[in-house]
Amino acid sequence: AQSVTQLGSHVSVSEGALVLLRCNYSSSVPPYLFWYVQYPNQGLQLLLKYTSAATLVKGINGFEAEFKKSETSFHLTKPSAHMSDAAEYFCAVSARDDKIIFGKGTRLHILP
Amino acid sequence: ETGVTQSPTHLIKTRGQQVTLRCSSQSGHNTVSWYQQALGQGPQFIFQYYREEENGRGNFPPRFSGLQFPNYSSELNVNALELDDSALYLCASSSGTSRSGANVLTFGAGSRLTVL
Repeated sequence: AQSVTQLGSHVSVSEGALVLLRCNYSSSVPPYLFWYVQYPNQGLQLLLKYTSAATLVKGINGFEAEFKKSETSFHLTKPSAHMSDAAEYFCAVSARDDKIIFGKGTRLHILP
Repeated sequence: ETGVTQSPTHLIKTRGQQVTLRCSSQSGHNTVSWYQQALGQGPQFIFQYYREEENGRGNFPPRFSGLQFPNYSSELNVNALELDDSALYLCASSSGTSRSGANVLTFGAGSRLTVL
C-alpha cells in the first residue's frame, strides 16, 4: 500500500527566501510521485512528477523536487518565494494502478 | 482545449437526501477519477472509471456510486447523505491506458456539498 506524509500543515517564508516543503512516502513498489498545487476555490494543478527517470525533477513556476530513495523523500523546493506562490501544496504517490494517494497538504504563506 | 468542468459548483442538502454531481472530462481523456476533499484534508480517492467501467475504488461505502458515459463524462451519486459527506468533491480526468500510475490528472474546480 502507498501513503504520503507531509511534514508541517503550515509553512511561512519571506518573499525572496527559499521554499522547502517536505514529503515522505511509503510504497511497496517503485512509486510515481507528484506535487500538486491548489489555489483558493480552484482544483488541483500539477507542479511536477517523478516517474523513475532523473531524480531531480523540474516543474512549473520555478519549483523542483528531488527523489531520494534512501530517505523515501520527495521534498519540494523553490529558490526564491514569490507572493503568488501562496497556496496549498499536496504531495501524492501512485503505484501502477493510477490510483493517486494524496497527503494532507501544506499551506504555504508568503510574508512581505 | 477545454478543461474539466463540474456542476453544480455549490449545493446544500439535508441528511438522508440523495445527490448527483456531474463532470465533463477534458477533451481526449478517457479516464475519470473522483475524490472527496474534506475541510483541511487532502483529497481522498473514491473511485475511477475507465471506458465506462469502474477501475478501482477507495474506502467508501456502497452508497457512493458512479457512472461514466460513452462521451467519457461522469456522475457521482451519493445516497442517504450524512453530515460527514460535507466536502469538496473533485473530478479528475486523464488519458492513456488503464492502470498507468504515471498518468497526470487534470482536475476540475470541484462541487462543494454541504449536508445539514
